[in-house]
Amino acid sequence: GENVEQHPSTLSVQEGDSAVIKCTYSDSASNYFPWYKQELGKRPQLIIDIRSNVGEKKDQRIAVTLNKTAKHFSLHITETQPEDSAVYFCASQTQGGSEKLVFGKGMKLTVNP
Amino acid sequence: EPEVTQTPSHQVTQMGQEVILRCVPISNHLYFYWYRQILGQKVEFLVSFYNNEISEKSEIFDDQFSVERPDGSNFTLKIRSTKLEDSAMYFCASTSTGDTDTQYFGPGTRLTVL
Repeated sequence: GENVEQHPSTLSVQEGDSAVIKCTYSDSASNYFPWYKQELGKRPQLIIDIRSNVGEKKDQRIAVTLNKTAKHFSLHITETQPEDSAVYFCASQTQGGSEKLVFGKGMKLTVNP
Repeated sequence: EPEVTQTPSHQVTQMGQEVILRCVPISNHLYFYWYRQILGQKVEFLVSFYNNEISEKSEIFDDQFSVERPDGSNFTLKIRSTKLEDSAMYFCASTSTGDTDTQYFGPGTRLTVL
């Protein structure tokens, strides 16, 4: 079945540094890739998404890149702040199938002041 | 901004009991989902629902689970006979058009089975 691998599982950075989270997916028919941020005990919140017809998307300090040939996509956070500390999940959705999201295992980001 | 809501926020039940988790999706959304997240693990798909029927369900969604949209606003997940391993956070999500559309998650119901 579809599978999304995410790494690293944890990352600790100093405030102001950049953070990169990488995901790979197995289904070449996947065409939608959202990223969710989940703070402790809270709901997953969409922070950015990318569709398969583009290779990169940016929103202020966050950006996502997609390499369809290699079947991987990455989240980049620049100038990290303590409030960026959370668990980040990548996910994929497959065109023409169910609309379900298949999630990676998540990455716990800690931004130290 | 409209949000998905869920009740209760926390449900404690005895093994073997039935529970109903409730969700109110965003009002103009047509596609509804249930996901679960066991503590410290990833979010897992349970079921998707569109046009008053299940469109897909995962292996987790066995005969003990059912979903219903009893009226125009609520979307419920029923677990008929809870097991210890059903303890998890259950998230409802909704989207307006399904394919490649943002899924908005509710705050979750933490289910604890004793």
